[in-house]
Parts: sequence; C-alpha cells; structure tokens
Amino acid sequence: AQSVAQPEDQVNVAEGNPLTVKCTYSVSGNPYLFWYVQYPNRGLQFLLKYITGDNLVKGSYGFEAEFNKSQTSFHLKKPSALVSDSALYFCAGGDYKLSFGAGTTVTVRA
Amino acid sequence: DTGVSQDPRHKITKRGQNVTFRCDPISEHNRLYWYRQTLGQGPEFLTYFQNEAQLEKSRLLSDRFSAERPKGSFSTLEIQRTEQGDSAMYLCASSLGLGGLFGEQFFGPGTRLTVL
Repeated sequence: AQSVAQPEDQVNVAEGNPLTVKCTYSVSGNPYLFWYVQYPNRGLQFLLKYITGDNLVKGSYGFEAEFNKSQTSFHLKKPSALVSDSALYFCAGGDYKLSFGAGTTVTVRA
Repeated sequence: DTGVSQDPRHKITKRGQNVTFRCDPISEHNRLYWYRQTLGQGPEFLTYFQNEAQLEKSRLLSDRFSAERPKGSFSTLEIQRTEQGDSAMYLCASSLGLGGLFGEQFFGPGTRLTVL
C-alpha cells in the first residue's frame, strides 16, 4: 500500500521566485509517485510521475520533482513561478489505486 | 477534444432519489477508474475496471453504489437512495495499461453532486 502526505496547506511565493511544494510518502514496495494540478472548475491535470530511474523527473509546464529515497520525499519544484501557476496541487502514490494527499494551494503573487 | 468526458457536470437531487453518471474515457485506454472528492480533500479511490471487468471496489462504495462498464468503453456510476453525505465531486479517470504497468491516469472534469 502507498500513502502520501502534503505537510503544507498553502504556499505563497512571488512571481519569478522558486516554487517548492512538499510531499512525503510511505510505501511497502516500489514507490509510484505522481503530481497533479487542479484549476477551479477543471479536472486534475497530470504533471509528472516517478516510477523508476533518475531521481529528478521533468514534467509539464516547467515543473520537475525530486525523488529522495532516504527522506521518503517527492517534492515538486519550479525554478521561476508564474502567476498562472496559482492552483491546487496534489501529490499521489500508487499503481492503479491512487492515494492522494490533501492538496496544497499555491498562490503566486505578481 | 479527445480527453476524458463526464456527464452531467452538475447534478442536484433530493435525498432518496437515484442518480446515474456517465464517463467516456480516452478511446484507446483499457483501464477506467472512479474517485470521489469532497471539499478540501484529495480524491479517494472508489473502483477500477480493466476493459469490462470491475476488478476492485473500495469499502467506500456501499451497496447503494454500482458501477458498470458494459462494453469496455464508457462507464456509468449509479447511486441509489441518495443521502446528503453523497454530496461530492465524482471523478473519472482512464489510463493505458500494458502488462503490469498501469500508466498515468487522465482525469475528466468531474460530476458535482448535491443532495438536498
């Protein structure tokens, strides 16, 4: 079984600054980890995934995530945030039965 | 648009009524999933199909809930005798899974159910 946790309900950053959204995981086998983003009145959009391989995963819209086995973390990062990145971000783990975190609301101020 | 579609987008019903939602997955995807999302929470897994076979149901899916995928294409989720606690966003997702790999899930826009 896999479970994830997002320790921060909200993250606020200024446009142009680095953005980090935190996720930690707990698994009984190989971790399958994902990041999704949800905009108001829209479905979840897939950003990136970690199955195996390189610890740094690159995804859509300039996002990347770093898998850290020793810290059991899978933090989402973007070097330079945009106002349009303001949304609700979910970390998820699992193979077919995704277990989602509670979500982190990101606000990027101009 | 070739993404996952769901119908209706919104449903308001009175307690005790039956409701049915439809999900049309991405056409080549063989796996289909239903999740429920309540306000302030992440989605919770309800059930999963591989082609037309329903392979797992969550304990969240009480006897009042039934899901089908009759021809391995679209799926329906029916809730009988709705209760106010059923009010939530119902999300459908699909993926292309080959062998033991399940593939990333692509989500539809959801059906928001309000039970009065």
